[in-house]
Amino acid sequence: DAGVTQSPTHLIKTRGQQVTLRCSPKSGHDTVSWYQQALGQGPQFIFQYYEEEERQRGNFPDRFSGHQFPNYSSELNVNALLLGDSALYLCASSPTGWETQYFGPGTRLLVL
Amino acid sequence: GESVGLHLPTLSVQEGDNSIINCAYSNSASDYFIWYKQESGKGPQFIIDIRSNMDKRQGQRVTVLLNKTVKHLSLQIAATQPGDSAVYFCAENPPNDYKLSFGAGTTVTVRA
Repeated sequence: DAGVTQSPTHLIKTRGQQVTLRCSPKSGHDTVSWYQQALGQGPQFIFQYYEEEERQRGNFPDRFSGHQFPNYSSELNVNALLLGDSALYLCASSPTGWETQYFGPGTRLLVL
Repeated sequence: GESVGLHLPTLSVQEGDNSIINCAYSNSASDYFIWYKQESGKGPQFIIDIRSNMDKRQGQRVTVLLNKTVKHLSLQIAATQPGDSAVYFCAENPPNDYKLSFGAGTTVTVRA
């Protein structure tokens, strides 16, 4: 049984560019959350998707947007990249009604 | 075994000893808590969880204790092994909230 998968594993972009990160949830999970983890810190909640809609959003600007597809996979889009967006981006999935979130390996984004 | 009363960012443990990792959570309304282990270059891995109607929960080699009076959570690892070296995070989830809020991690280093 595959766990949460994310792609790509690493990405290098320059300031002002846009990036799309992808996530496939664990089998049987329909809820996807995205987190940003800066170096040396704990993950910070960006938003959660359920039934193809953003259900809750953390304290992140509108440059961060997302999407969930009918097969429950999800994308995170970040526009107008800033140097401070450099971080590990984590996707977590959970089944309906469960608080437990299972994380993927993350995508390491470096903005130059 | 090694133990700390307050949260410390690092913990050095002799192989075979017991470890205690502490965490202070922020929201007195939180009713669900999770401990995650994060190895270098990987996403957080679920270890054990506990609900607020419990004071203690045991897993394989791990025990989580919850003290709601002082908003304190601890993770005990029995017979610490080299593979236990990682950063450990506690996370809290208030009712009617979909996000996990992470505490400051503790880096555990196991000495041979």
